[in-house]
Formats: sequence, C-alpha cells, structure tokens
Amino acid sequence: GAVVSQHPSWVICKSGTSVKIECRSLDFQATTMFWYRQFPKQSLMLMATSNEGSKATYEQGVEKDKFLINHASLTLSTLTVTSAHPEDSSFYICSARDRLSSGGTSSYNEQFFGPGTRLTVL
Amino acid sequence: GDSVTQMEGPVTLSEEAFLTINCTYTATGYPSLFWYVQYPGEGLQLLLKATKADDKGSNKGFEATYRKETTSFHLEKGSVQVSDSAVYFCALWPPPAGGGNKLTFGTGTQLKVEL
Repeated sequence: GAVVSQHPSWVICKSGTSVKIECRSLDFQATTMFWYRQFPKQSLMLMATSNEGSKATYEQGVEKDKFLINHASLTLSTLTVTSAHPEDSSFYICSARDRLSSGGTSSYNEQFFGPGTRLTVL
Repeated sequence: GDSVTQMEGPVTLSEEAFLTINCTYTATGYPSLFWYVQYPGEGLQLLLKATKADDKGSNKGFEATYRKETTSFHLEKGSVQVSDSAVYFCALWPPPAGGGNKLTFGTGTQLKVEL
C-alpha cells in the first residue's frame, strides 16, 4: 500500500527556534498534501492544504507566517514552525493524496497518513 | 459547518467481546463517511468507507453502515482481538455539491482489548 513517512518522529527544541518537519510519499506521487495538528484527546485539525508547485492554502486561524509550508516536489512537503513557543507543542500529522487515484462517485481521493511528529517546545 | 461526534473512550473490552463505537455526523447532502484506525506509533490508516446511504463498509471483520435517517455510521466488530487495540476515528468528506474539500474528523475513540 501507499506509504507516507515523516521526519523527525519527535523533536524537542528551545523556545524561539525554528523546526522543520518533512513529509514524504514513498511509493506514489502526491500533488496534494495536507498538514494536521492533533492536541491530546482531540481531533485532527486541518492546518493547511499544500499543492505541488504552488502556495499552500491555510485554514482560518492558522498563521501562515508561523507555519511555513513548502511543497517543492511530488513526493515531499515540509512544514516549518518558525520561532516556536510552548503553545506550539503538539502532534503534527501529514497526509498525501495519490494524484492517480479516483474517488468514483465521490469527489474524495484517498489520503494516506504519515505516522506523525511530536513537537515539544521548552 | 460539518461535524462528527463519536463516543468518548477509552473503551475497554475482553478479547472476543462485541464492539460498537458510535459515530454521528452533521453535514448537508450525502457526505462520504470513513473510519480510520491509528495503531500505537503509526499513522492513520483507512479502515473502511461508505459513499452513499445504506452502503455498508467492511474490512478486517469491522463493519459500518451509512444511515442517512439517523446520520450515523457506527463501527462494529463481532469479536475483538488484542491486536485491535488502537484509536479509531470517524470522519466525513463533503459531497461534491457541498463545495468542501477536507476531511472532518471526530475526536477519536481509544479501544483497549484485554486477554
């Protein structure tokens, strides 16, 4: 099946530093990748949608200057948390949509999720 | 807006017990409905889906039926195993006419199966 990896799986950083998280589709090409944030015992909240070769689309309330997203190739998207603060500590999950998959009667094309990255800001 | 409500966990069962995890949704039209499973240390995996009313999704012994009249998509399994211990997420994708293009997730339900 389709595999999505994330790196690193966990990271601890000091307040004020920037952290980059990578999301890779290992065996398929993904024109669209999604970045989610998950708080303890809460649902996944979509942060932004990333399309290869174009600017990301951010959800309402998500600071685009703080959460920089780059999708430079069909297999890689990166999320950079700039000037991280303790309130940015969270579990970040990416997903990728296979550009060749079809949703059939639905507009949905299956998303494949990465294992997540645990960010802790001290 | 769209929303998904699922029962809070954790749900603790003995092996071979019957499982039900409730999920209800709010959306216009006929969204596509999904159950995802997240095993410890892994990413979310699609468990099953249904794209229209009365459809039954099934996989690995799990089933869920799309009930438009009750706006529900409850997950069931007749006999759980220890290896089913995971967090289960109910989610929806809006219909094409709805104009939306993102998955809306429930809060997840942790299942613990004991010997």
